[in-house]
Amino acid sequence: DAKTTQPPSMDCAEGRAANLPCNHSTISGNEYVYWYRQIHSQGPQYIIHGLKNNETNEMASLIITEDRKSSTLILPHATLRDTAVYYCIVRVLRLDSSYKLIFGSGTRLLVRP
Amino acid sequence: NAGVTQTPKFQVLKTGQSMTLQCAQDMNHNSMYWYRQDPGMGLRLIYYSASEGTTDKGEVPNGYNVSRLNKREFSLRLESAAPSQTSVYFCASDGTGEFFGPGTRLTVL
Repeated sequence: DAKTTQPPSMDCAEGRAANLPCNHSTISGNEYVYWYRQIHSQGPQYIIHGLKNNETNEMASLIITEDRKSSTLILPHATLRDTAVYYCIVRVLRLDSSYKLIFGSGTRLLVRP
Repeated sequence: NAGVTQTPKFQVLKTGQSMTLQCAQDMNHNSMYWYRQDPGMGLRLIYYSASEGTTDKGEVPNGYNVSRLNKREFSLRLESAAPSQTSVYFCASDGTGEFFGPGTRLTVL
């Protein structure tokens, strides 16, 4: 199964862009990259996902390298409420049509005032 | 649309006691999951149900049983709680991505 590697912690100033990197060098061609975040001990919150193209939604942008071995989550204008643990996850389809989420260790992002 | 709901929110048990954690989703998802999260760690899969009537072991199933009661509900049972099962338990269901419940914080003394 593909594994993900993330830096344990990062910080950025409020109002600036936060760029969170993730390595997934063993990802297979049909496996998606998902990003979730967890604020305090709440349930993980879905942010964005992608296969090979760059994706953008109201929360963030996801840049995936052409070889798909790494990706970057971009929060364009970080706010204090974006302080959380961010998980980069590879989502694997099982034979029974359920999914397996392979959680990495996450990046603890601290947004400074 | 409540999403994924879990009960109870908090529970304290004594070693050897049993309890059932309840989970329900109203998004008509086929797959449901139970995870545990220990302090400072990522989530680990306990059991999952690919569809109504099926259940399978995940990464850390020992000490737990599950029941997929119907498409909406997926319960997790601890038959004889142990201190090592002190954790936060999250239920999730799966559409285009997994949607997680708010968690149950369980302490076993």
